[in-house]
Amino acid sequence: QVQLVQSGAEVKKPGASVRVSCKTSGYTFKNHGVTWVRQAPGQGLEWLGWISAYNGNRKFAQTLQGRATMTTDTFTSTAYLELRSLRSDDTAVYFCARENIIHFDFWGPGTQVTVSS
Amino acid sequence: QSALTQPRSVSGSPGQSITISCSGTSSDVGGYNYVSWYQQRPGKAPRLMIYDVSKRPSGVPDRFFGSKSGNTASLAISGLQAEDEADYYCSSYAGTYTWLFGGGTRLTVL
Repeated sequence: QVQLVQSGAEVKKPGASVRVSCKTSGYTFKNHGVTWVRQAPGQGLEWLGWISAYNGNRKFAQTLQGRATMTTDTFTSTAYLELRSLRSDDTAVYFCARENIIHFDFWGPGTQVTVSS
Repeated sequence: QSALTQPRSVSGSPGQSITISCSGTSSDVGGYNYVSWYQQRPGKAPRLMIYDVSKRPSGVPDRFFGSKSGNTASLAISGLQAEDEADYYCSSYAGTYTWLFGGGTRLTVL
């Protein structure tokens, strides 16, 4: 069965970087994209970006303003999101999800990222 | 790009029907038949309920129905059940591998 397992919670200081991983299983990794979505406390879902596991093509939301990197490791079927120059408003739960022909059908459980001095 | 517009809350009694709207523009909702809906319970990851405007993944009851007219998509839930109480988010493809989400609608089953 399709599964997405994310890395554990992180606490970072403002200005630091964080890397969240999303290890997938149960499907052919290269056949699907991976998208990243975050949810700030008490807020809605915010789309962050998408990466093709086939060729590495990627697209970011404008709100990230060049602070993010998305990568994939096809050998371990894992996707990564790195966010730099962290600010307090980056505090959120970060989700990865499998993209399946323009919709997101399987989601990871989320990774809490807290930015606090 | 702005988020899609959803009502903040809707409510209904068990057995009743409700509809949640999702308004966008001709660049997203109106431009593609790629609207999806997600259910999210507290502390949980979103769950896909509807994709491609009106298709249901396996395991989603046929009480959930999606539709679209112009720049507005809708999610209808008939025969409300207590387990339907959750937050619902619409999402639309906006071209060149970008997506938008709505602000979310809290469904309360009275």
